[in-house]
Amino acid sequence: QKEVEQDPGPLSVPEGAIVSLNCTYSNSAFQYFMWYRQYSRKGPELLMYTYSSGNKEDGRFTAQVDKSSKYISLFIRDSQPSDSATYLCAMEQGAQKLVFGQGTRLTINP
Amino acid sequence: DAGVIQSPRHEVTEMGQEVTLRCKPISGHDYLFWYRQTMMRGLELLIYFNNNVPIDDSGMPEDRFSAKMPNASFSTLKIQPSEPRDSAVYFCASSLDLLAGGYNEQFFGPGTRLTVL
Repeated sequence: QKEVEQDPGPLSVPEGAIVSLNCTYSNSAFQYFMWYRQYSRKGPELLMYTYSSGNKEDGRFTAQVDKSSKYISLFIRDSQPSDSATYLCAMEQGAQKLVFGQGTRLTINP
Repeated sequence: DAGVIQSPRHEVTEMGQEVTLRCKPISGHDYLFWYRQTMMRGLELLIYFNNNVPIDDSGMPEDRFSAKMPNASFSTLKIQPSEPRDSAVYFCASSLDLLAGGYNEQFFGPGTRLTVL
């Protein structure tokens, strides 16, 4: 079993829809939870990060962490075609070492 | 700032050949990471350095892979001999060491797409 599990999709939704992306993990030592966005033929870029449990909001994006269930989510409101990308969850237990999920390929249709 | 620079952007080689990938991290960053991304395995950490010193190379798949960081502005990942299963996109990333705590964002380069025939 992988430390971090993420449904690779693909996921296709109409413009304006609310998108929900999720990851589960098995290592309870993870402290930082990140979402990276990767456009085609580009490197990943950090979208949001959360420390421990709770919610964090940044514009149309909300990240949630539930450590008791070992489950994290990213919500995108009012989705736009420019949000079409692969979204990777990542986790860190310290010492800079990230473990990534498989990535979910998302397409927002105009 | 130019960001993390990687070269070459694309590399096509034949099985058995030596391949060298290059990375220039963001100036002033303390950490440098090498990742490999494939459809099957996703994004995997191969090795990372702190202040030019290798800290963790447990992700390096085999002895055919080696990485060096001779100075703060340059690192190489070498595969010798290369095999078709090494075909992947290789990313370099760098980050600051924020001593006050918090998450140290990793900044990724554009990647090198390697194809081994």
